[in-house]
Amino acid sequence: AQKITQTQPGMFVQEKEAVTLDCTYDTSDPSYGLFWYKQPSSGEMIFLIYQGSYDQQNATEGRYSLNFQKARKSANLVISASQLGDSAMYFCAMRGETGDMRFGAGTRLTVKP
Amino acid sequence: NAGVTQTPKFQVLKTGQSMTLQCAQDMNHEYMSWYRQDPGMGLRLIHYSVGAGITDQGEVPNGYNVSRSTTEDFPLRLLSAAPSQTSVYFCASSYSGDWGGETQYFGPGTRLLVL
Repeated sequence: AQKITQTQPGMFVQEKEAVTLDCTYDTSDPSYGLFWYKQPSSGEMIFLIYQGSYDQQNATEGRYSLNFQKARKSANLVISASQLGDSAMYFCAMRGETGDMRFGAGTRLTVKP
Repeated sequence: NAGVTQTPKFQVLKTGQSMTLQCAQDMNHEYMSWYRQDPGMGLRLIHYSVGAGITDQGEVPNGYNVSRSTTEDFPLRLLSAAPSQTSVYFCASSYSGDWGGETQYFGPGTRLLVL
């Protein structure tokens, strides 16, 4: 069975600093995809970044990058130059070969001015 | 593009009632999915579809039905509402680009209360 673990219920970061949100996963599928999402207090879900299991390079999208370490089964999200608007819940998720998807419990990030 | 639209935004049901949550996308995405989010938790996949005419169960499918007769629409039906189905429901669509990546879009969500 697939499993996603986010061990940090809450994180604080100073504005303009970088922050890493941890995510580990467990699957027996040879091919899978890893996702990160942002959910502000307004409630909408915002897709941030995707990493395929066969991608050789770490995915990047603007200030977001995914630190993918396949052997360790980790897919940490790195946010560079944090902004006040980055304060939100962040969810890691994985989709297996069948299309089934699992989410982690989330990490609440608070950016301090 | 309107993106992913969901209706209604809010709904109150009585136990035993049935209803359909509507989801539509105008981006010609093959993959569509329904999730529920309970307070303080991440999303859980209910059903998903990899294309018109193809649906499959996710993590929590009991009490829900879906169909995918067109690429655009992916309605979620609650057969007989129960208080345990009180939740926020999100619909999403996604596509895989020729760069090997994937992009997802979510609807605004439907807040459902079952009394």
